[in-house]
Amino acid sequence: EVQLVESGGGLVQPGGSLRLSCAASGFTFSRYWMHWVRQIPGKGLVWVSRISSDGSNIIYADSVKGRFTISRDNAKNTLYLQVSSLRADDTALYYCARDRGGTGPTTVDYWGQGTLVTVSS
Amino acid sequence: DIQMTQSPSTLSASVGDRVTITCRASQSINYWLAWYQQKPGKAPKTLIYKASTLESGVPSRFSGSGSGTEFTLTISNLQPDDFATYYCQQYSSYFSFGPGTKVDVK
Repeated sequence: EVQLVESGGGLVQPGGSLRLSCAASGFTFSRYWMHWVRQIPGKGLVWVSRISSDGSNIIYADSVKGRFTISRDNAKNTLYLQVSSLRADDTALYYCARDRGGTGPTTVDYWGQGTLVTVSS
Repeated sequence: DIQMTQSPSTLSASVGDRVTITCRASQSINYWLAWYQQKPGKAPKTLIYKASTLESGVPSRFSGSGSGTEFTLTISNLQPDDFATYYCQQYSSYFSFGPGTKVDVK
């Protein structure tokens, strides 16, 4: 069974940083591209970033470019999102998600339960 | 950037109804579109990808269609478990979601 378990969220002051983690199990993590998606409570879904299976291909949403860094450790089956220079509008539930893979453009098939980041003084 | 819109924003329906949600892209995305279902307090669940391919385990009362810029999600014979918010997402160029359609009880 595919499992994605996020952690690392919490309350942080504006301008602060956090490192979010996503522990993956139930599949061969090193073969899959991975995403981060966020959601302000009560609002819609917003895609944040994606990383290739080997970490060499990375893209970000414009709203987080230069402030957030996605990475992975395939030996530890873990995906990361370093979130820095945080602003109030970064407050959201951050979901880790697996990309289904295959030929052509692909997108998410499995989602974690999310970790909440609250940016407030 | 590709913008996604959905209509309606809220849909009131009864068990057994056939419901249709429309999703439009600001430019052609071929058939690189997915649909997700989300219930309050839960993570999204993938229903459909490539506009019309049903995710494994998703009931056959869900179906998707469309290509280019206009897409639909249809739920035939609405069940109590289907009351939720539905999001479309394009993945033709980067990724972007529609604002969601809430299906609630009439």
